[in-house]
Amino acid sequence: AQTVTQSQPEMSVQEAETVTLSCTYDTSENNYYLFWYKQPPSRQMILVIRQEAYKQQNATENRFSVNFQKAAKSFSLKISDSQLGDTAMYFCAFVRSNYQLIWGAGTKLIIKP
Amino acid sequence: EAQVTQNPRYLITVTGKKLTVTCSQNMNHEYMSWYRQDPGLGLRQIYYSMNVEVTDKGDVPEGYKVSRKEKRNFPLILESPSPNQTSLYFCASSFTRQGFPQHFGDGTRLSIL
Repeated sequence: AQTVTQSQPEMSVQEAETVTLSCTYDTSENNYYLFWYKQPPSRQMILVIRQEAYKQQNATENRFSVNFQKAAKSFSLKISDSQLGDTAMYFCAFVRSNYQLIWGAGTKLIIKP
Repeated sequence: EAQVTQNPRYLITVTGKKLTVTCSQNMNHEYMSWYRQDPGLGLRQIYYSMNVEVTDKGDVPEGYKVSRKEKRNFPLILESPSPNQTSLYFCASSFTRQGFPQHFGDGTRLSIL
């Protein structure tokens, strides 16, 4: 079975600190995409960052970056200089070759002032 | 403005009363999908559509129907709703070549009594 595991149900850090959210996944496929989505209290779902499995270079989007370890099937999200607006649920997901997304259960991130 | 519009945003109804949640996108996307979000489970895919008249089951299709008669619309139909379908529902869309949902609707909170 293909699964995504986010081992941290909830995390909190002080504003301006760096925080890392962990994600591990299990798949037998070789080519796939990995994603982090953000869901703020407004409950919108926002794509934060994506990574193609065939690319060795880790994806970066402004303050968000990933640490992709394909052999270990690990895909962590690092948020640098965290801001109050980063408070949200964060979901890790990967897409199968047939376009189906498999989601983790989410990590609730609280940024404290 | 690029949008995925879901209606209604909230609905409380009773067991067995047929309901439809509409989803419409204005970006000419081929790919559309429906998810349900439950606490501790993340998002689970219900149905998806790669283009007009092409639909397929996701991970949790039981009790739901969909149709894709036009490119912009992808309604979710609950023929005989039951309490275990109480959930937060999201519609999403993207271009097929992307392989993942880029834009999400704002969600529909359904309560089945």
